[in-house]
Amino acid sequence: GQNIDQPTEMTATEGAIVQINCTYQTSGFNGLFWYQQHAGEAPTFLSYNVLDGLEEKGRFSSFLSRSKGYSYLLLKELQMKDSASYLCAVMDSNYQLIWGAGTKLIIKP
Amino acid sequence: DAGITQSPRYKITETGRQVTLMCHQTWSHSYMFWYRQDLGHGLRLIYYSAAADITDKGEVPDGYVVSRSKTENFPLTLESATRSQTSVYFCASSGVENSPLHFGNGTRLTVT
Repeated sequence: GQNIDQPTEMTATEGAIVQINCTYQTSGFNGLFWYQQHAGEAPTFLSYNVLDGLEEKGRFSSFLSRSKGYSYLLLKELQMKDSASYLCAVMDSNYQLIWGAGTKLIIKP
Repeated sequence: DAGITQSPRYKITETGRQVTLMCHQTWSHSYMFWYRQDLGHGLRLIYYSAAADITDKGEVPDGYVVSRSKTENFPLTLESATRSQTSVYFCASSGVENSPLHFGNGTRLTVT
């Protein structure tokens, strides 16, 4: 079967750095997405990786290793507004998105 | 305004009633999706559509019906609501197959 694994919850301190991991097993691979979802709101797109390596976008970076079935989202200089759930999703060979259950990130002052 | 809108935002209905959730997008995106989101689960795909008059089942289609007579609209109907269909429903769209999804604000549905 296809599955995505990510930690259920993480806690970090304002101003620090946090890395949210995502491992996947899917039938084929057509890219990996990270979304941010604040409580009670819709998911919003953060990043897309289809080739191995690091993609940097401001305070957020996303890394992909296709051979290891592994990605991480790195958040730097954490702010209170970064408290949210972070969803990892992989697009399989049929262009179907497989979603992880999400990682709830709690930021403490 | 351009975007993707869902209505209603909140809905309470009784078991056995038919209810329709609306979704409208103004980008002329080809692909539209309906997801449900429940605690402890990732987003689960109910139905999707690649173009007008083309719809396909997702992971959890039972008890739901969709139609797409126009590119911009993709309504989701619960034919006979059950308590297990209490959930938050998100509509989403994308322009091409592997482009990011744009989500509507969601409909919180409670079936009593």
